[in-house]
Amino acid sequence: DIVMTQSPDSLAVSLGERATINCKSSQSVLYSSNNKNYLTWYQQKPGQPPKLLIYWASTRESGVPDRFSGSGSGTDFTLTISSLQAEDVAVYYCQQYYTTPLTFGGGTKVEIK
Amino acid sequence: QITLKESGPTLVKPTQTLTLTCTFSGFSLSTSGVGVGWIRQPPGKALEWLALIYWDDDKRYSPSLKSRLTITKDTSKNQVVLTMTNMDPVDTGTYYCAHSASAFCGGDCSYPPLDYWGQGTLVTVSS
Repeated sequence: DIVMTQSPDSLAVSLGERATINCKSSQSVLYSSNNKNYLTWYQQKPGQPPKLLIYWASTRESGVPDRFSGSGSGTDFTLTISSLQAEDVAVYYCQQYYTTPLTFGGGTKVEIK
Repeated sequence: QITLKESGPTLVKPTQTLTLTCTFSGFSLSTSGVGVGWIRQPPGKALEWLALIYWDDDKRYSPSLKSRLTITKDTSKNQVVLTMTNMDPVDTGTYYCAHSASAFCGGDCSYPPLDYWGQGTLVTVSS
């Protein structure tokens, strides 16, 4: 199984400041034939199901604000919220779709400082 | 638009079998490349993928739970059913179903991202 490890477990950021979440996979999720990283980021607000934010490690889903960005390749990935808004308070998960079993990171809780 | 809704018992006893139904609309499981997955989340904990079924009846299971899980589809009813045997209190959590389609990836992935999710159903395992 590909193990997904997120850090930190939680972080508190002031409104308007940058939030950075890291995700590391135990093996590469980069498919060499197409040079794509099979990595998604989800946002889960309290009492709601996860919402797909980013796929291919860096492509924003339609309707996702551009303050959310994904980067990284191979085994190391980052989700950045460039200017934290109150509505961004949530738990964020990375997930690989390179192979089954599909695996999620442990989640990072983002709060307002 | 695509919607999914989970249904099933809210309380099951230890050793019993859980049967959950995902009823969906806005897509067909007879369409090439389309799939439905199940994911669960214990209270306050992370997401855990359980199983996937695709339009061609290809099925994938979490290795750690494979012996306990069965996923089936009823295309005519727009439903996917997940059964989990020998339930234990550690299986308590919210169970979600979600849509997946290879068209999302432009055909570039075998297991496309889960792009639409149901609201989830909370299952408690207790005697």
